[in-house]
Amino acid sequence: GENVEQHPSTLSVQEGDSAVIKCTYSDSASNYFPWYKQELGKRPQLIIDIRSNVGEKKDQRIAVTLNKTAKHFSLHITETQPEDSAVYFCAAPGGGTYKYIFGTGTRLKVLA
Amino acid sequence: NAGVMQNPRHLVRRRGQEARLRCSPMKGHSHVYWYRQLPEEGLKFMVYLQKENIIDESGMPKERFSAEFPKEGPSILRIQQVVRGDSAAYFCASSPRQGSDTQYFGPGTRLTVL
Repeated sequence: GENVEQHPSTLSVQEGDSAVIKCTYSDSASNYFPWYKQELGKRPQLIIDIRSNVGEKKDQRIAVTLNKTAKHFSLHITETQPEDSAVYFCAAPGGGTYKYIFGTGTRLKVLA
Repeated sequence: NAGVMQNPRHLVRRRGQEARLRCSPMKGHSHVYWYRQLPEEGLKFMVYLQKENIIDESGMPKERFSAEFPKEGPSILRIQQVVRGDSAAYFCASSPRQGSDTQYFGPGTRLTVL
């Protein structure tokens, strides 16, 4: 079945450094790749997304890159701040019905 | 424009009782998705509904779980005869149309089964 793998599961960085989280997906029909940030006890919040017709998208300190051939997409956070600390999930639609298959999450900790 | 609403936010049930979780999608959204999140885990798809139709329930257990999205009113996820393993956060998400990929999540209902 469809699968999304996410690495690393935990990531600690110093404030101001960059963080990179990687995902791979299995469903070659997937054409939309969102990233969500979830703080403890809160809802997943969409922070950036990318469609399969582009290779990179940037929004201030956050960027996402997509390699459709390799079925990889990555989240890049630059100049990290303590408020970036959260769990980040990647997702890809599977099964042709837009249900999201989520990665297992990355717990990012930004050390002040 | 109000976001996705869910209620109750917290629900405590004893084993064997029924749990009813409600989700009101964003205004203008006719597609609803339910996901379950176990503690310290990711979100797992359960069911995808449009108004009066279940489109995909492949992630929902065959027994004790049901979902509906009536013509009027919120979408409801119903869990009968709850067991301790049903304790989780249940999130719903909505999107405006099938061609729109972006899903917006509600605040979730945290179900605790005693």
